[in-house]
Amino acid sequence: NAGVMQNPRHLVRRRGQEARLRCSPVKGHSHVYWYRQLPEEGLKFMVYLQKENIIDESGMPKERFSAEFPKEGPSILRIQQVVRGDSAAYFCASSQGTGVTDTQYFGPGTRLTVL
Amino acid sequence: SQQGEEDPQALSIQEGENATMNCSYKTSINNLQWYRQNSGRGLVHLILIRSNEREKHSGRLRVTLDTSKKSSSLLITASRAADTASYFCATGLNTGTASKLTFGTGTRLQVTL
Repeated sequence: NAGVMQNPRHLVRRRGQEARLRCSPVKGHSHVYWYRQLPEEGLKFMVYLQKENIIDESGMPKERFSAEFPKEGPSILRIQQVVRGDSAAYFCASSQGTGVTDTQYFGPGTRLTVL
Repeated sequence: SQQGEEDPQALSIQEGENATMNCSYKTSINNLQWYRQNSGRGLVHLILIRSNEREKHSGRLRVTLDTSKKSSSLLITASRAADTASYFCATGLNTGTASKLTFGTGTRLQVTL
């Protein structure tokens, strides 16, 4: 399966703990995006990264959230000191480029539950 | 508010009928994409239509785009129970350095036997 892979699929954390979400893009894709989906809502953009660079983080909360896409390895979305409001599904997507016809392909998501 | 707003929020039809979902948006776009999401699952890309296109087909799917009205519609013909899912439109404004999708709130489609 050459699609976007995310792990874990489900993550349970207690308030104050850290959550690390991983995303491996489609092979050959160098553009990665993170989105968050609250129950019964659409996805909301968080951050767009290329290898080793954050290109657009306009949707990221200013505190506790960070993202990286290192030269080697998966992209990581890190949430420090989680709160109940962080409970959501987090989706990663990747694309080959950023042209008008470049499609973003989504992973299965990580469902984060904060107790 | 969200860039894309789908209408209706929920739609229930019988197998074999056609399903039409509409999407409106507010700003200029380069493309508009439709995705399907089964309950508790990830998103599956259905179709992308560029801003200079008016209509596009893919199998039982037909998408139209009216940039003057800032609206799009997704038609699923001869629906099947397996089409039961939430459908989202997403607008793209790819500028080379900013390539995020802005999603609507989705239409929940229920196809019954």
